[in-house]
Amino acid sequence: IAGITQAPTSQILAAGRRMTLRCTQDMRHNAMYWYRQDLGLGLRLIHYSNTAGTTGKGEVPDGYSVSRANTDDFPLTLASAVPSQTSVYFCASSDAYKRSYNEQFFGPGTRLTVL
Amino acid sequence: QKEVEQDPGPLSVPEGAIVSLNCTYSNSAFQYFMWYRQYSRKGPELLMYTYSSGNKEDGRFTAQVDKSSKYISLFIRDSQPSDSATYLCAMRAGANSKLTFGKGITLSVRP
Repeated sequence: IAGITQAPTSQILAAGRRMTLRCTQDMRHNAMYWYRQDLGLGLRLIHYSNTAGTTGKGEVPDGYSVSRANTDDFPLTLASAVPSQTSVYFCASSDAYKRSYNEQFFGPGTRLTVL
Repeated sequence: QKEVEQDPGPLSVPEGAIVSLNCTYSNSAFQYFMWYRQYSRKGPELLMYTYSSGNKEDGRFTAQVDKSSKYISLFIRDSQPSDSATYLCAMRAGANSKLTFGKGITLSVRP
């Protein structure tokens, strides 16, 4: 089934540890995104990639890094996790060439708790 | 002022009610307007999309955009318990520009 997969589904992490959230899409979309969703704050863009080999910073990039080595994968790394990074993380993808409004498709999310 | 403001809710209605969800925005460059629906512990999924001003209907759902007032609405007719979810408005200026989301409103439809 075409779509976006994220791993892990949930994770409890000690502060200071390094963590990589995985995201894979099989729709051959050119653009991919990472959001965090927090109660009362909504969805906020962390990083994005318009095409393989390029990345850009979103609204809340500090403490996070991304890479886009190929079309399908877009991992998000927390180099040294802090409690304020406790959140639900969503990966999304879109194909701007298919639809003018550039619909974003979201993965199921990763619930991360940093203690 | 935030770029996109959405009524915070939560909202609880009886089955069969007409629901009106609203967002206001400040950026006059926004042209693409979307409503995403998010079920509990799931990712958002696109529900409705509208380009520029006007109405768009899809079954029990109607999306309305008033660019002169910078106001968008989603109407749900004959609401069902299966409509219980969080609804997020989203908008962007161009097809490749950043998508800006409202904070979302949680709707509960009581049987």
